[in-house]
Amino acid sequence: SQTIHQWPATLVQPVGSPLSLECTVEGTSNPNLYWYRQAAGRGLQLLFYSVGIGQISSEVPQNLSASRPQDRQFILSSKKLLLSDSGFYLCAWSGGSYNEQFFGPGTRLTVL
Amino acid sequence: GDSVTQMEGPVTLSEEAFLTINCTYTATGYPSLFWYVQYPGEGLQLLLKATKADDKGSNKGFEATYRKETTSFHLEKGSVQVSDSAVYFCALSASNAGNMLTFGGGTRLMVKP
Repeated sequence: SQTIHQWPATLVQPVGSPLSLECTVEGTSNPNLYWYRQAAGRGLQLLFYSVGIGQISSEVPQNLSASRPQDRQFILSSKKLLLSDSGFYLCAWSGGSYNEQFFGPGTRLTVL
Repeated sequence: GDSVTQMEGPVTLSEEAFLTINCTYTATGYPSLFWYVQYPGEGLQLLLKATKADDKGSNKGFEATYRKETTSFHLEKGSVQVSDSAVYFCALSASNAGNMLTFGGGTRLMVKP
C-alpha cells in the first residue's frame, strides 16, 4: 500500500531564516505531487504541483520554491522566511483512476 | 472556472443528531466529487467519493449522492458522534483538469456529548 511522509512535523523558525520541508511517497511510482498551505482556520491553498522529476508548476507568486529531485521526493524551500509563511503545510500525491489525492500528516510552521 | 461552495461553519450538533453539510459545485464536463475530513492537527483523509451522476459514496456512516441536476454533493450522517468533530472539505476533479482538485472552503463540525 502507498504511504506518504512529511517531516518535520513541527518547526519554529525566525524571520529571514531558510526553510526546507520534505515529502516522500512510498508504494507508487511516477505520482503527481502537490504542496498546499493552510492558514489557521482557513481552507487549502495550492502552492506547487509536479507531474515528474524536475517538473514544477507554481500556482501563486511567493518567496517559496519547490523541487523534485527524485520520483517520490518533493521538497519545499525558502531562502528567507516571512511572518506570513506561517501555516500548516500539506503534501499530497495522486495517481489513481479518479484523480483523488492522498495527503501527508502535514508540517506546522511557525515563523517568529 | 471550476468552483466548490460549502456551507459556512461551524456546525454544532449534539451527539446522535442528524448531519447535513451542503456542497454545490460549478464545473465543465463531468467531474468526480470527493469529501475529505481533517481531524485537529492532522492532514486530510479521503472520506468518500462519487465519480458519476447518481452515484452514492459512503464510508463510516457518512453518505453523499452525486446530483447532477442540482450540481450538489451534500454530506449526510444519520447519527453523529463526538469523534466526528473535524473539518470537512468538499472537492471536485474536473475531467479536463488532469489531477487537479478544486476544494471548498471547509466546514467545521463540532459535536457535543
